Amino acid sequence: DSGVTQTPKHLITATGQRVTLRCSPRSGDLSVYWYQQSLDQGLQFLIQYYNGEERAKGNILERFSAQQFPDLHSELNLSSLELGDSALYFCASSVAEGFELGETQYFGPGTRLLVL
Amino acid sequence: QKEVEQDPGPLSVPEGAIVSLNCTYSNSAFQYFMWYRQYSRKGPELLMYTYSSGNKEDGRFTAQVDKSSKYISLFIRDSQPSDSATYLCAMISYNNNDMRFGAGTRLTVKP
Repeated sequence: DSGVTQTPKHLITATGQRVTLRCSPRSGDLSVYWYQQSLDQGLQFLIQYYNGEERAKGNILERFSAQQFPDLHSELNLSSLELGDSALYFCASSVAEGFELGETQYFGPGTRLLVL
Repeated sequence: QKEVEQDPGPLSVPEGAIVSLNCTYSNSAFQYFMWYRQYSRKGPELLMYTYSSGNKEDGRFTAQVDKSSKYISLFIRDSQPSDSATYLCAMISYNNNDMRFGAGTRLTVKP
């Protein structure tokens, strides 16, 4: 158990809908990273927050957004969902401010999203 | 062409074999290199990281980086059935504060 929690574990929804994925980082970690893992694209970095501020942006679509709240939990919002958004969404946390070698990112168990 | 190329396998070896996993990359901005292990239905976990060309050992695992050839490898000695997992290479570019992953190689070690 990494100490990172993600809810829900599974989510089934329809095209055009909007969903919110939630992540609670490990105690003491200020950074949260979001990743998408799909069969065709593999694991992709989406976005990172540090202590409430956006710090890095990867391949995140405009239909997706995220935020980190004062209690450090984070939410990833996915809107106007398409079939291709079906994937496993991981959250990771670390003590680092950004991508720092040697600072481990601890991954949560993921949320499996299925868009029908 | 993807920035990070990794043969997805699958790769099947007998217990005790030496396993070689490889990634190539095209972006010279990648400076830091990592290997993650991902068991089925779990999140990735960091195995090893390095930033310099050469070898780095940790127990049965050796990470090798050749920046001139843009090639990284992970060697697993005396492979065990518990090593059966998907192994992903990952790279960090500090120029644009980004992290890229390989497709992952699925490894099975048979008893």
